[in-house]
Amino acid sequence: AQTVTQSQPEMSVQEAETVTLSCTYDTSESDYYLFWYKQPPSRQMILVIRQEAYKQQNATENRFSVNFQKAAKSFSLKISDSQLGDAAMYFCAYRSRGAGGTSYGKLTFGQGTILTVHP
Amino acid sequence: DVKVTQSSRYLVKRTGEKVFLECVQDMDHENMFWYRQDPGLGLRLIYFSYDVKMKEKGDIPEGYSVSREKKERFSLILESASTNQTSMYLCASSLPPNRASNQPQHFGDGTRLSIL
Repeated sequence: AQTVTQSQPEMSVQEAETVTLSCTYDTSESDYYLFWYKQPPSRQMILVIRQEAYKQQNATENRFSVNFQKAAKSFSLKISDSQLGDAAMYFCAYRSRGAGGTSYGKLTFGQGTILTVHP
Repeated sequence: DVKVTQSSRYLVKRTGEKVFLECVQDMDHENMFWYRQDPGLGLRLIYFSYDVKMKEKGDIPEGYSVSREKKERFSLILESASTNQTSMYLCASSLPPNRASNQPQHFGDGTRLSIL
């Protein structure tokens, strides 16, 4: 079974600065997907960024980027130019690619990191 | 945009009651999921369904059951509620991986359930 670990229960950052959230995972599979989700106080889970394991290039979405180290099984999220609206709980999640669809797209989540942004 | 709607944001029930949590999605997704979210534990999968009337246990199914009579609706049932089932419950839906392998799950706003 896969496991996902977020070792930072809480992080904080000053507005306009950069912060990196850590995520490691354990799997014996070679092909999979990794996701970062954001959950603000409104509770709506929002997809921030996704990475396909077979792609060597790190994914980026505007101010959000990842550092994907497949051999180290590490998937960190970097938030640049932090904004007050980035304050939220962030979850790292793993999904098997699932040959033939047998995995049904189940997600395995980390414990979450609460990010506080100071003005 | 995909819309996943959970019937209640807050719910208070008593020990021993039978509790129904409802979830509806409007994007014709085959897959639907129920998660439980607890501090320090992240989200844990309770049950999921990959088609009407089909269901599979997740990681923590004990004390729960599910029903999927129609494609758009997935219900979570607490047969006899207990205080250790006080939690946040999140529903999600997605296309199956063999049709859209890199597509994410879409989540509802969650139901905060308190069992007294």
